[in-house]
Amino acid sequence: GDSVTQMEGPVTLSEEAFLTINCTYTATGYPSLFWYVQYPGEGLQLLLKATKADDKGSNKGFEATYRKETTSFHLEKGSVQVSDSAVYFCALSSFYNFNKFYFGSGTKLNVKP
Amino acid sequence: NAGVTQTPKFRVLKTGQSMTLLCAQDMNHEYMYWYRQDPGMGLRLIHYSVGEGTTAKGEVPDGYNVSRLKKQNFLLGLESAAPSQTSVYFCASRPLAGGGDNEQFFGPGTRLTVL
Repeated sequence: GDSVTQMEGPVTLSEEAFLTINCTYTATGYPSLFWYVQYPGEGLQLLLKATKADDKGSNKGFEATYRKETTSFHLEKGSVQVSDSAVYFCALSSFYNFNKFYFGSGTKLNVKP
Repeated sequence: NAGVTQTPKFRVLKTGQSMTLLCAQDMNHEYMYWYRQDPGMGLRLIHYSVGEGTTAKGEVPDGYNVSRLKKQNFLLGLESAAPSQTSVYFCASRPLAGGGDNEQFFGPGTRLTVL
C-alpha cells in the first residue's frame, strides 16, 4: 500500500542554517504530495504541495520538488529562523483512492538563535 | 470563514465515561476525517466520511463511533473511554472538486486525557 517515510528528528539547527528534511514515498500511480507544518499547540497547516512529477512547491522560503525517479519530496530552506521551529509532516494523497491521505511520522525542527 | 472548528478544546474523562467530540466546517467540503496524534506516531486515521450520511473505518477505529448527519458536522464518540484513548484528536475536511490535488484543512485539535 501507499506510505510515506520521513527522517526522524529532532533536527536542531542554528538560525540562518540550511535545512533539509528528507521524505520518500511508496505509491502506485501518480499521487499528490504535501508538506504540513504544526506549530506548538496548534493543528496542521499546509506549507506547500506538488501535484505532478517535477513540480516544485514553495512557500515562506521553503521548497520541495516532486521527484518521481527517486520517489522523494525533500523539504528545504536556505536560511531558517527561530520562528520555523515546529513539527513538519510529509503526506501523500493516494492516486487511486483520493479519500485517503498518508502522513509521515513528523520531524521536529528546533532552531536556536 | 471559521474554517474547521472543534469542540471542546480540552477534556478530562474517567475510565468508562463517554463523550462526543464535535467537528464543524463552513467550507462546504464533502470529505471529513478524524485523526489521533500520539507522540512519535504521527497522525493515525480513526474514521472518515465521504459525504452526508456516510462513514468509513480508518486505521484505528476500535473504541470509536462517528456520525455525519449534516454535511458540515462530523461527530466522534467514545462510548466507554480507556486510558489508551488519551491523545490529541484532530478533525480535517477536504473538498471533492479537484480530486487528489486538494489538501486537507485541519482543526485546532482536542486534547483528551482519560484517567
